[in-house]
Amino acid sequence: SQKIEQNSEALNIQEGKTATLTCNYTNYSPAYLQWYRQDPGRGPVFLLLIRENEKEKRKERLKVTFDTTLKQSLFHITASQPADSATYLCAHGQNFVFGPGTRLSVLP
Amino acid sequence: EAGVAQSPRYKIIEKRQSVAFWCNPISGHATLYWYQQILGQGPKLLIQFQNNGVVDDSQLPKDRFSAERLKGVDSTLKIQPAKLEDSAVYLCASSMGPRTDTQYFGPGTRLTVL
Repeated sequence: SQKIEQNSEALNIQEGKTATLTCNYTNYSPAYLQWYRQDPGRGPVFLLLIRENEKEKRKERLKVTFDTTLKQSLFHITASQPADSATYLCAHGQNFVFGPGTRLSVLP
Repeated sequence: EAGVAQSPRYKIIEKRQSVAFWCNPISGHATLYWYQQILGQGPKLLIQFQNNGVVDDSQLPKDRFSAERLKGVDSTLKIQPAKLEDSAVYLCASSMGPRTDTQYFGPGTRLTVL
């Protein structure tokens, strides 16, 4: 079955550093992937969509890459801030399959 | 622009009882989704509506879960009877179209089954 895996461990980084989150998919080849942010007690909020023919997508301090050979997407937050602390979800948008999310904590 | 509204925000019931959740999507959004999110996991799609028709309900436990979207606007999700493993957050989302469009999520309803 289609599966999306993300680092299940929480990621702690220092303010100002770059956070890198990993999303791996198996058993299928999605035409695109989406990244969402979820804060405690709230629904996910859409951040970025990257298609299989796009190597990289940027939005302000966010950058997403898509490597179809490795079956992997990387999500980067540059110059991270404590306000970036949240759980980040990777999703195969076409089939609405979400990964378990990675909890990011940016320490001041 | 108003977001996706859900109610109630919290619900506690005994097992074998029934419960219903309500969702009002963003105005003009034709597609509506219900997800179940168990603690520590990502959302799992239960059912997708396009206007008032069901597009995908392959992961909906139809022996106990039901959903409807009358008139293609509001939607309700019902569980009858509830089991302990139904404890989760139930998220409603909407989008303008069925594929690739950005999904907008509501705040969710946290269900606890005792």
